[in-house]
Amino acid sequence: DGGITQSPKYLFRKEGQNVTLSCEQNLNHDAMYWYRQDPGQGLRLIYYSQIVNDFQKGDIAEGYSVSREKKESFPLTVTSAQKNPTAFYLCASSIVEGNTEAFFGQGTRLTVV
Amino acid sequence: AQSVSQHNHHVILSEAASLELGCNYSYGGTVNLFWYVQYPGQHLQLLLKYFSGDPLVKGIKGFEAEFIKSKFSFNLRKPSVQWSDTAEYFCAVNAYTGRRALTFGSGTRLQVQP
Repeated sequence: DGGITQSPKYLFRKEGQNVTLSCEQNLNHDAMYWYRQDPGQGLRLIYYSQIVNDFQKGDIAEGYSVSREKKESFPLTVTSAQKNPTAFYLCASSIVEGNTEAFFGQGTRLTVV
Repeated sequence: AQSVSQHNHHVILSEAASLELGCNYSYGGTVNLFWYVQYPGQHLQLLLKYFSGDPLVKGIKGFEAEFIKSKFSFNLRKPSVQWSDTAEYFCAVNAYTGRRALTFGSGTRLQVQP
């Protein structure tokens, strides 16, 4: 089945530790995105990438890092510099040219303990 | 940069009531408009989208939305809601050029009572 796979579904992290969230897609999409969802705030863009080996900061990139070494993969690292990392993280992908919607993964719920 | 406002944060309706959720965006250029839905425990799904043409668009599960360019609005409607419509609804916009990542509103939590 074509789609976006995020893992793990739930993640617990101790304060001060970095953690990496996985996102893989087999839709052959060039563009991939990371969003953070908090209650009452909707989805906010962390990073996005429109092509392999290139990515851009979104609206709330501080404390996060990404890489895009393969078309299919766009991992997100939540670093210890992120002041409030507990949230629901959503990965999405889309084509770059033309009119289309973004497709979303199931999300990863990160809790800092 | 574009922004999206959803005015209703929490809506409670009885089954068979009509629904209208407001969405306004701010952006000076051409935009694509979307409504996504997130059912409890499920991933974000597309309800409907507007790219161009007829400003009244129909989506899945009986939902529709009307794009009113002069008001920068893209309100979501359904004539008769069901208990299964209980979910969170997000309006989103992306610019036709430049940064094409979606910008989302804060969401509206809809609760339908049987």
